[in-house]
Amino acid sequence: AQSVTQLDSQVPVFEEAPVELRCNYSSSVSVYLFWYVQYPNQGLQLLLKYLSGSTLVESINGFEAEFNKSQTSFHLRKPSVHISDTAEYFCAVIALEGSTDKLIFGTGTRLQVFP
Amino acid sequence: DTGVSQDPRHKITKRGQNVTFRCDPISEHNRLYWYRQTLGQGPEFLTYFQNEAQLEKSRLLSDRFSAERPKGSFSTLEIQRTEQGDSAMYLCASSFPTTSGGADTQYFGPGTRLTVL
Repeated sequence: AQSVTQLDSQVPVFEEAPVELRCNYSSSVSVYLFWYVQYPNQGLQLLLKYLSGSTLVESINGFEAEFNKSQTSFHLRKPSVHISDTAEYFCAVIALEGSTDKLIFGTGTRLQVFP
Repeated sequence: DTGVSQDPRHKITKRGQNVTFRCDPISEHNRLYWYRQTLGQGPEFLTYFQNEAQLEKSRLLSDRFSAERPKGSFSTLEIQRTEQGDSAMYLCASSFPTTSGGADTQYFGPGTRLTVL
């Protein structure tokens, strides 16, 4: 079975400061890794994903995440956050076994950006 | 492409009543997923359809829950004899198989928030 741990339930940060949202996973098989974002009163949106290849993946709005197999981590980072980044961020995995592609989510991290 | 839509957005019901939610996936997406999200938790997988076939059901889906996708397009999720513990956000997602391999991106709807009094 797979599980995802997001160590921080809330991360307050000032605008233009760097931020890191932590994600660790547990799985006996290889996984694909995802970060989803949920803005207030909106549905979940894919932010970025790691399937294979380069362990560093980037989103179009300046976020990046690095897959670290030895530490089973997929931390999300941004060097300078904006007020508009305020949202709930969910880390998720899909196990390579099986055919369902069901997402296993962490409990989420609420990023609050202050002016 | 108008995205995944869900109806209703909010539902308040009394314990013991039956409720039904609808999900309309992105057109031509043959894969459809239902998830449930309770306060302070991430979404949890409930069930999965490929076209009209329901291929997997979570143990979270008790016998009071039933999902259908009759023509491989929209899907319904029915909860019979609702309980207060059923109060949650019910999310629907759809995807289309990629030709390059790997996991398909799942596109989520806005969800249906159920409150059982």
